[in-house]
Amino acid sequence: DTEVTQTPKHLVMGMTNKKSLKCEQHMGHRAMYWYKQKAKKPPELMFVYSYEKLSINESVPSRFSPECPNSSLLNLHLHALQPEDSALYLCASSPNDWVDGNTIYFGEGSWLTVV
Amino acid sequence: DAKTTQPPSMDCAEGRAANLPCNHSTISGNEYVYWYRQIHSQGPQYIIHGLKNNETNEMASLIITEDRKSSTLILPHATLRDTAVYYCIVRGGNKLTFGTGTQLKVEL
Repeated sequence: DTEVTQTPKHLVMGMTNKKSLKCEQHMGHRAMYWYKQKAKKPPELMFVYSYEKLSINESVPSRFSPECPNSSLLNLHLHALQPEDSALYLCASSPNDWVDGNTIYFGEGSWLTVV
Repeated sequence: DAKTTQPPSMDCAEGRAANLPCNHSTISGNEYVYWYRQIHSQGPQYIIHGLKNNETNEMASLIITEDRKSSTLILPHATLRDTAVYYCIVRGGNKLTFGTGTQLKVEL
């Protein structure tokens, strides 16, 4: 089973709302990732968690707040977003973040629209 | 991370082999070459990866040149469902950095 599950698949939120994206994997992976993908562009890394600790933050604005409550779950809390934050948000996981040769598996993504 | 260069688009006839090239001339000795594809509106799908040797799995073959400065992904018998954006990525450490990829269009 190489499944990374993301919920919700679609989310529409206002600029003053607080919402969260959820990601779950049961492969025993210890590294989890958030990527953002705008239309017709490649995915861009936002955050990396390794053993439930934040190891990489690619200078993401504070209106995006990641959380890793346990090794199977990864959340992305959203607050005071702007319309330009509308995008596909992808979660991924891998057995370990610093061992080359590991495969990183992606979920199907959550489509976010900020109105 | 080493940069990769791919053609922006390619066409392939259904049933024929699709050969997707990638240049990564600044690759370091311990960096792997990964290939992913993304079908419209879906998450990236892992295809294959390699370090030095050629690799084959049920989806594709990966040919890496001896100097490791370029590679080719081969889909042996392309089908319409292989139409997607194909990303060649050189992985350095704990992240994948996507380039712009190649839009492969498989036609009848």
